[in-house]
Amino acid sequence: SYELTQPPSVSVSPGQTARIPCSGDALPKKYAFWYQQKSGQAPVLVIYGDNKRPSGIPERFSASSSGTMATLTISGAQVDDEADYYCSSTDRNFNVVFGGGTKLTVL
Amino acid sequence: QVTLKESGPVLVKPTETLTLTCTVSGFSLSPITVGVGWIRQPPGKALEWLAHIFSDDELSYNTSLKSRLTISQDISKSQVVLTMTNMDPVDTATYYCARIPTISHWYFDLWGRGTLVAVSS
Repeated sequence: SYELTQPPSVSVSPGQTARIPCSGDALPKKYAFWYQQKSGQAPVLVIYGDNKRPSGIPERFSASSSGTMATLTISGAQVDDEADYYCSSTDRNFNVVFGGGTKLTVL
Repeated sequence: QVTLKESGPVLVKPTETLTLTCTVSGFSLSPITVGVGWIRQPPGKALEWLAHIFSDDELSYNTSLKSRLTISQDISKSQVVLTMTNMDPVDTATYYCARIPTISHWYFDLWGRGTLVAVSS
């Protein structure tokens, strides 16, 4: 089955740039979408399409893609950005696939 | 205000069938361009997509779970229903419903709060 691979954890100090990678063979042809999930809460969409942010998502959230790697970047990460982040895309069989999630620590 | 709310049993027994309902408000299910999906998350684990529906003819299932899942919608009630047969303890999870704002790209822009379903005898 198709997989999206994320590192289990990323840690940065407040104000630093956090980069969360997501790799998948189909990413050269498919968008990656990004979700933030804070502890005990439902996921929230933070990036969709070609690096677009839904209303209410701060400008410090951005995304890029190159080949089989998509990256979520949080510029000037804040303590409030601590959460699990999931990438998502679709595979060739039209299944929606989520990555395993990355726990971002800001301290 | 656009909201989605999941409802269903908090506990089911092994081999039973789970029926979950997602009631939406603030938007209509009738445009084929808007869909609703179901995603689950076992405790401490990652998200897993289960199924989604845009219309009676436009629906998709997780290939690995397809034989156990049925998704349907009642536009007049603004509800999307998911059934999962032959429940097992490994199906214990929080089940979310979420809106898909475009049929062109399958992503979830608004989520319900989720409902925790435990499978135990």
